[in-house]
Amino acid sequence: GAVVSQHPSWVICKSGTSVKIECRSLDFQATTMFWYRQFPKQSLMLMATSNEGSKATYEQGVEKDKFLINHASLTLSTLTVTSAHPEDSSFYICSARAGGTNEKLFFGSGTQLSVL
Amino acid sequence: AQSVTQLGSHVSVSEGALVLLRCNYSSSVPPYLFWYVQYPNQGLQLLLKYTTGATLVKGINGFEAEFKKSETSFHLTKPSAHMSDAAEYFCAVEDSSYKLIFGSGTRLLVRP
Repeated sequence: GAVVSQHPSWVICKSGTSVKIECRSLDFQATTMFWYRQFPKQSLMLMATSNEGSKATYEQGVEKDKFLINHASLTLSTLTVTSAHPEDSSFYICSARAGGTNEKLFFGSGTQLSVL
Repeated sequence: AQSVTQLGSHVSVSEGALVLLRCNYSSSVPPYLFWYVQYPNQGLQLLLKYTTGATLVKGINGFEAEFKKSETSFHLTKPSAHMSDAAEYFCAVEDSSYKLIFGSGTRLLVRP
């Protein structure tokens, strides 16, 4: 099946620094990528939808200036957590969709972010 | 608006026993429904999906789910649990903007 690579798998950073997470579709072109946040023992909460070549659409309550999303190509989207704080510590998951339906939606393996 | 309710945050079964994970949905349009499995510190893997057609859907690892419109349900079952089935399971429905709305998840524990 299709593969979505997410990197890094875990990262520890100091408060106030920025962290970039990459999401790559390895064997297909992803017209749309999604970024989710998952707190321990909770469900996935959609943060934003990213379409190649256009600005990301953020869900209500998600700070677009804090969570910068770039989808510069059909195979790469990045999420940058700017000026990270301990409350940003979470598990972040990306997904990539080939085409317009969720029948071809594939998830990355996630990134555990810990902000000290 | 679409929504998903998963009854039971934890389900515990003995190895070899029937697995039943419940999912009820709310949707104003014919729903597209999904079940995903998540192992610790990993992303989600699609188990099965219902879009149209046959209401009994078979997925990977011996799982299946039945779409019951009258009950607005899409319960996940497996006849015989294996230790390797222990994981978190998420039911999801696609909303009108083609985004997935996830349920709160059910953690499956398999006792030896």
